[in-house]
Amino acid sequence: KQEVTQIPAALSVPEGENLVLNCSFTDSAIYNLQWFRQDPGKGLTSLLLIQSSQREQTSGRLNASLDKSSGRSTLYIAASQPGDSATYLCAVYPDMRFGAGTRLTVKP
Amino acid sequence: DTGVSQDPRHKITKRGQNVTFRCDPISEHNRLYWYRQTLGQGPEFLTYFQNEAQLEKSRLLSDRFSAERPKGSFSTLEIQRTEQGDSAMYLCASSSRSAGSSYNEQFFGPGTRLTVL
Repeated sequence: KQEVTQIPAALSVPEGENLVLNCSFTDSAIYNLQWFRQDPGKGLTSLLLIQSSQREQTSGRLNASLDKSSGRSTLYIAASQPGDSATYLCAVYPDMRFGAGTRLTVKP
Repeated sequence: DTGVSQDPRHKITKRGQNVTFRCDPISEHNRLYWYRQTLGQGPEFLTYFQNEAQLEKSRLLSDRFSAERPKGSFSTLEIQRTEQGDSAMYLCASSSRSAGSSYNEQFFGPGTRLTVL
């Protein structure tokens, strides 16, 4: 059974810092991995989708990497801003399993 | 707005009542997913449709839960005889199934928050 773990559960950083969020999965036979952000009480907003054949994807200040063999993905956020404060979740397919998320706070 | 929409946004009901939620996916998307999310946890997969066919159901989807997607457009999720443990956010997502990709990017709706008293 696929298990997805996100560490740390919470992270607080000062504005402007670069940071890395981690996502680990136990079964490397995945098709895709998707990163989302979720604001309190809201739905999920898609950030990046990495196909299993890809190593990384970039969108603006975000860069996500995927290492299937080690069962890991990282989301790199450059020059963090207070508006980046949210919970960040990763999901793997085809299992459609999510991690519990990392709650990020960026302090002005 | 061409995003995923859900109705209602909030529902408060008494234990034992039936409730029904609706999801309208992005119009060109042929896959539709239902998830349940409780506080502090990631979404848990419930079921998904490709067009009107329900292709997979989680064991979380007890016999009190039923989902439909008539004509492959909007979908409904019904919970019969609600229990306090059903209190959660119910999320709907949609994606397209295109050639060369097994699972495409999912787009989520705002969710329906259910409170069972």
